[in-house]
Amino acid sequence: GIQVEQSPPDLILQEGANSTLRCNFSDSVNNLQWFHQNPWGQLINLFYIPSGTKQNGRLSATTVATERYSLLYISSSQTTDSGVYFCAVERNSGTYKYIFGTGTRLKVLA
Amino acid sequence: SQTIHQWPATLVQPVGSPLSLECTVEGTSNPNLYWYRQAAGRGLQLLFYSVGIGQISSEVPQNLSASRPQDRQFILSSKKLLLSDSGFYLCAWTSGNFFNEQFFGPGTRLTVL
Repeated sequence: GIQVEQSPPDLILQEGANSTLRCNFSDSVNNLQWFHQNPWGQLINLFYIPSGTKQNGRLSATTVATERYSLLYISSSQTTDSGVYFCAVERNSGTYKYIFGTGTRLKVLA
Repeated sequence: SQTIHQWPATLVQPVGSPLSLECTVEGTSNPNLYWYRQAAGRGLQLLFYSVGIGQISSEVPQNLSASRPQDRQFILSSKKLLLSDSGFYLCAWTSGNFFNEQFFGPGTRLTVL
C-alpha cells in the first residue's frame, strides 16, 4: 500500500520562530489533508490540498503532486501551535479512505 | 452545517466486558463513515469504514466489530474487551457524493483495566 512519511518526527521551537513540516508519499494521490491534533486530542482540519498552494493566516501549505510531497509552513509560531501535525492521503484509485502519516510532534516554547 | 458527535467522551472498562461506542453525523446524507484508533503517542489506524447502511469494510482483523444501522449512525462494538483495546477512538466522515475532505469527531478515550 501507499507509504506516507512525515519529517521531522519531533520539533521544538521558540515562540516567534518559523518552521516547515514535510509529508512524502509513495504513490499518486487524489486527496491530501493536513490536520493539527491539539493536546485534548481533537483533530482540526488545516488544509485540504491535493495540489497547489493555500494560505490561512500564519499557516500555508504547498503540495507538489507530481513529485509526491507536501509542505506545511508555520510562521511566527505561538504556544497554541503545539501538538501533533498529521498529513493524510487518499490513493489515486478512489479507495474512499485516507492513510495517515506518523505525524510531527511540535512544541512551541514561550 | 455538518456536526459529528461521539459518546461517551471517556470510558473505563474491565477486561472481558462488552463495548459499544456510538457516532452520529448531522447535516448531511449518505456520508462515508470511519472508525480510527490511536494508541498513546502514536498515529491513527483505520479500523472500519462504511459507504452505506449495512456496508462495513474491516481494515484490521481484531477484537472489534462495527455496524451501521442507520444512514448517519456508526457503532463500534466488542463482546469482550482486551487490555490492548485501550486507546483513543475517533469517528470521521466524508461526503458520500464527492469524496474529498474528512472531518473528525471529538473522540472517545477508552481505558481497559
